[in-house]
Amino acid sequence: TQLLEQSPQFLSIQEGENLTVYCNSSSVFSSLQWYRQEPGEGPVLLVTVVTGGEVKKLKRLTFQFGDARKDSSLHITAAQPGDTGLYLCAGVNAGNNRKLIWGLGTSLAVNP
Amino acid sequence: NAGVTQTPKFQVLKTGQSMTLQCAQDMNHEYMSWYRQDPGMGLRLIHYSVGAGITDQGEVPNGYNVSRSTTEDFPLRLLSAAPSQTSVYFCASSYLMFSGANVLTFGAGSRLTVL
Repeated sequence: TQLLEQSPQFLSIQEGENLTVYCNSSSVFSSLQWYRQEPGEGPVLLVTVVTGGEVKKLKRLTFQFGDARKDSSLHITAAQPGDTGLYLCAGVNAGNNRKLIWGLGTSLAVNP
Repeated sequence: NAGVTQTPKFQVLKTGQSMTLQCAQDMNHEYMSWYRQDPGMGLRLIHYSVGAGITDQGEVPNGYNVSRSTTEDFPLRLLSAAPSQTSVYFCASSYLMFSGANVLTFGAGSRLTVL
């Protein structure tokens, strides 16, 4: 069974701090997606990383796909209260592009 | 552009009752799916469809039925509700990609409580 482990599970920080969350697996993925979910809403796609070693930036968010395509990280610079939410990673099975493997998420709280 | 619309937003059922969660999308997406989200369990796929008239089971299909008579609609039916089906349900859709990943657009969710 393919698993995606996200860490940390919970994170509470002050506004302006930097943070990194991780998404790790022993399996290879053809690509990996990051979503953010706010309370009472569905997940919303932030980014897709496809190539091993790829780095993508979305304003203060930096996403990296591991060289071996088994892991990914999300770094947030100068976190703001609007960054609060549940961050989910989802790996695309290398053998079946329609099957997503979901991590359990990192719940981030950014306090003013 | 409404995206993915789910109704109802909240529902309380008694054990043994049946109900249907509605999902509609206006993006002409071929792929539609239902997930449930539970604390400590994450998102789990219940059923999915790759086009009208085609449905298939996900990882937790027991107790649920689906049908796809049109491209736009993908209702989820609970046949005889059980407390274990208390959860938040999400409908999600995407274009079907022949290479690369399906990028999902989610609805806002339906919170179901079974007493």
